[in-house]
This record gives sequence, C-alpha cells and structure tokens, in this order.
Amino acid sequence: AQSVTQPDIHITVSEGASLELRCNYSYGATPYLFWYVQSPGQGLQLLLKYFSGDTLVQGIKGFEAEFKRSQSSFNLRKPSVHWSDAAEYFCAVGFKPPQGGSEKLVFGKGTKLTVNP
Amino acid sequence: NAGVTQTPKFQVLKTGQSMTLQCAQDMNHNSMYWYRQDPGMGLRLIYYSASEGTTDKGEVPNGYNVSRLNKREFSLRLESAAPSQTSVYFCASRKVRRGLNTEAFFGQGTRLTVV
Repeated sequence: AQSVTQPDIHITVSEGASLELRCNYSYGATPYLFWYVQSPGQGLQLLLKYFSGDTLVQGIKGFEAEFKRSQSSFNLRKPSVHWSDAAEYFCAVGFKPPQGGSEKLVFGKGTKLTVNP
Repeated sequence: NAGVTQTPKFQVLKTGQSMTLQCAQDMNHNSMYWYRQDPGMGLRLIYYSASEGTTDKGEVPNGYNVSRLNKREFSLRLESAAPSQTSVYFCASRKVRRGLNTEAFFGQGTRLTVV
C-alpha cells in the first residue's frame, strides 16, 4: 500500500547547525511531494513542493529538498537553523491509487524540531 | 481572499450527539480533503473528493460521512460522536488536473472535544 514515512519523531539541533529531515514514500511511480510546517497551535504552511523537473527544489525560509527516485526519498534540509524554525514538519505525498480512483494526499506522522540556543 | 474556511473553530459534543463540520473554498479547486490530527499521528486522511458528487474513503473513514454538494463545499458529519473522535479536524483543497496540480491549501482547523 502507498505510505509515507518520517523516521524521526523528534530532532534536536543547536541554533546555527545544519538540519536534515527524512521522508520516504512507498509508491510505484513518481508522486507529487510536499513539505509543510506547523507551529504550535497553528495551521499548516507550505515550505516547498516537487512535481517534476529539477530534483533539488528551493522553498521558503531557506529550506530546500532533494528528490531521489532511487531511494524513494524527499529529504528536507537547511544549512543553518534559526530558533524560529522550531516547529513540526510534515512530508506529504500525492498519488493515484493503483487500483484506480482519484488522487489522494497522504501525510507522514511528522518530525518535531527543537532548537537549542 | 478567504481561501479555505472551516466552521466552527471549536466545538464540544456529548457522546452520541451529531454534528456537521463545514468547509468552503473560493479558489475553484476540484479536490477537497478532510483530515484529523492527533498527537504523534500526523494528519490522517478521513475522506476526500476529486469533484462535486464524488467522494472516496481515506485512511480512517469509520464513524464519519461526507457530502460534496457543489464545487465549493465539502462537509464532514459525525452521526454519533465518540470520545475517540476528539481531535483537530482540517479541511484542505487542491487543484488536481493533468499539468495543473497545486499544493493543498488548508483551513484553520476545528478543535472538537467529545465528552
């Protein structure tokens, strides 16, 4: 079955350190890929998206993500984390079920980021 | 631009009561989604709709019904609320069309407590 996995439930980094959040998916074709961020008590904000083309995509707030087809991954990176980046990050995948039907959008369980001063 | 509007923002229900969560979008999107968010579980897809008049089950549809009467509106109904349905509910919309896909746009959420 199609699925999205974020292996890290909680990550802690120091301010100024680099960050990589992992996302893997299970799907037979190339899906549509997204990263969203959610601050406590807030809604979801899109960081970046991948539909096709260049596999390295740039997003807002200095984030980037790289699509690797061979690894079925879409990892999120930031070279230098700021205290304001503390939030929960969600990877999402849009795909058509192989048995037919319309495209669904499925989220991973999220990675909570804590930033130490 | 209103985007995606959900009502109500907060609701407390007693076990066994029913209610409908409303969602409307003004972006002319064809696809709409209902999710629930629980700590440690991420966003789980309840139901989705690719166009008016069509709906599909997501990951956790039991205990819910949906209605997509027109392109703008997608409602979620709890017929007999249970404490396990205490959650934050998010509605989202998206354009899904060959060559014209967009990201999902979310409402601000409905915090539902069932006592």
